[in-house]
Amino acid sequence: DTGVSQDPRHKITKRGQNVTFRCDPISEHNRLYWYRQTLGQGPEFLTYFQNEAQLEKSRLLSDRFSAERPKGSFSTLEIQRTEQGDSAMYLCASSLVLQQETQYFGPGTRLLVL
Amino acid sequence: EDKVVQSPLSLVVHEGDTVTLNCSYEVTNFRSLLWYKQEKKAPTFLFMLTSSGIEKKSGRLSSILDKKELFSILNITATQTGDSAVYLCAVSVGTSYGKLTFGQGTILTVHP
Repeated sequence: DTGVSQDPRHKITKRGQNVTFRCDPISEHNRLYWYRQTLGQGPEFLTYFQNEAQLEKSRLLSDRFSAERPKGSFSTLEIQRTEQGDSAMYLCASSLVLQQETQYFGPGTRLLVL
Repeated sequence: EDKVVQSPLSLVVHEGDTVTLNCSYEVTNFRSLLWYKQEKKAPTFLFMLTSSGIEKKSGRLSSILDKKELFSILNITATQTGDSAVYLCAVSVGTSYGKLTFGQGTILTVHP
């Protein structure tokens, strides 16, 4: 499978714990995006990378959230001191620079904070 | 703030019906409008529209953009149960480097 993959697919955690999600983009894609989707809503942009550089962060991304793409390939999204409001589907997408709107999404990681 | 609104929020039809989904937007420096289909998990890309009045087609699906009135429609003819999904509209603006602003989606249910 050469699509975008995400791990884990589901995560249940207790409030206050830290969680980390991983995204592996399509191999030749140098753009990588993180979105968050809550029930009944469309995805909301969180942040994006071009290669290893994080170029934009949403105001939604509080200081408890951090994302990295250390070698310009896979990316991680960490949430520290999780809150119940963090419960959502976290989607990763990737694209080529010259086709930046044509984003290919991964299956998502569904987070439930108890 | 960029805004994308879809209507209706949900729609129930029978197989064979034709449906029209609407997407209106208010953004600065519009670049493109995209339609995605989401079945249970990852959104999958359907169309990207950049020019007014040019219809894009893929099988039973078609879409058109009106940049003067700031909206787009997605048509599905001869619907099938496999068309049941959430249809998402998103807009890209010129300075956003690919950041997409999504609408809330239209839930389409097609009964046999």
